[in-house]
Amino acid sequence: DEQLVESGGGLVKPGGSLRLSCAASGFSFSNYDMKWVRQAPGKGLEWVSSIGVSGTHIYYADSVRGRFTISRDDAKNSLYLQMNSLRVEDTAVYYCARDRYYGSSHYFDLWGQGTLLTVSS
Amino acid sequence: ELVLTQSPATLSLSPGERATLSCRASQSFSSSVAWYQQKPGQAPRLLVYDASNRAPGIPARFSGSGSGTDFTLSISSLEPEDFGVYYCQQRTNWPSITFGQGTRLEIK
Repeated sequence: DEQLVESGGGLVKPGGSLRLSCAASGFSFSNYDMKWVRQAPGKGLEWVSSIGVSGTHIYYADSVRGRFTISRDDAKNSLYLQMNSLRVEDTAVYYCARDRYYGSSHYFDLWGQGTLLTVSS
Repeated sequence: ELVLTQSPATLSLSPGERATLSCRASQSFSSSVAWYQQKPGQAPRLLVYDASNRAPGIPARFSGSGSGTDFTLSISSLEPEDFGVYYCQQRTNWPSITFGQGTRLEIK
């Protein structure tokens, strides 16, 4: 079965750092663009960052640009999100998601179960 | 900046009834609109892409329609497992991706 499993969440103080990981299995990870999407408690979904095949075409939402770094290791079938200078408003469940081309555009067709980041003093 | 406004915020219906969820875009970009379902404690699931195409494995009771700035997700006859939160999403101004704020579909 195709699967994404996130890990690395936890409790961090404001200004701290954390790295999230996403392990992919059951599909050819290296062939897909990947994304991070987050969901603050009781809130909707927010796109955070994207990375293309071979680590090209990296993009960030304005809210995290300059603080977060997305990367991938295709040999390990893994996606990462290095988060620095964390803020209280970064508190959320972080999902990794696979980007797949359907019809005329790209959509998120496979999601992990998410990992919770809590930023609090 | 594109804003997707979903309505209603909450929809209370009984199993067997028809559900109609709306997603209105602040600007007309394209019909590259998706709908996702999220159940409590679970990750979202892709239901519809390109406004009107069902994703693989999605039951036929789910249908999408619309163009321009107005898009709709319909569920013809609600099953107990259909209750949850539904999000629309559009990819515009590459690479930005925008989600609506969600519609909660609950059991009446």
